[in-house]
Amino acid sequence: DVKVTQSSRYLVKRTGEKVFLECVQDMDHENMFWYRQDPGLGLRLIYFSYDVKMKEKGDIPEGYSVSREKKERFSLILESASTNQTSMYLCASSLTAEAFFGQGTRLTVV
Amino acid sequence: GESVGLHLPTLSVQEGDNSIINCAYSNSASDYFIWYKQESGKGPQFIIDIRSNMDKRQGQRVTVLLNKTVKHLSLQIAATQPGDSAVYFCAGLLAGAGSYQLTFGKGTKLSVIP
Repeated sequence: DVKVTQSSRYLVKRTGEKVFLECVQDMDHENMFWYRQDPGLGLRLIYFSYDVKMKEKGDIPEGYSVSREKKERFSLILESASTNQTSMYLCASSLTAEAFFGQGTRLTVV
Repeated sequence: GESVGLHLPTLSVQEGDNSIINCAYSNSASDYFIWYKQESGKGPQFIIDIRSNMDKRQGQRVTVLLNKTVKHLSLQIAATQPGDSAVYFCAGLLAGAGSYQLTFGKGTKLSVIP
């Protein structure tokens, strides 16, 4: 079974902190994605990566950056966390059309 | 889906009845359309996909219909069960050179009444 693992289920950080969200997949997938999910807004794509060291902006990249140093790991970075970044963050990986999601990290910025 | 406003569309269905969840899309360039199911506290899970050159695809208890003329997608669930209660998202997929980009709709919450 494909497994996508996000390092934390729940996270509370202070405004201005640098935050790292980690995601690891075990199926050698080329593509990895970071989404945020907010009530009534669905899933919005922040960044995606289709190869090691490659990254592409999604629909809402502002305030975020990413790192893909190894194929299995895709990190989302909040350089200076703000309260409007309080959200559920979902990581996904895919080889073809079917994407596999992690369980999500609920981040609260206070 | 392209729901307007902050309220998640909801659908309540009696157990055993058929459910139909609708989705409108805007990007005609999508190569695939996909339905995902998200249960409470979990990440979305793939249900079924349909290529953009198809009109209908059937899976186990689920059928997806694609009407490109009106840019509409639907998911039909036969004999709906309590375990089908979840939020359902449609997504359009754009395949580039070696990459796949998924764009999600806002979702529909399905509640099954026992």
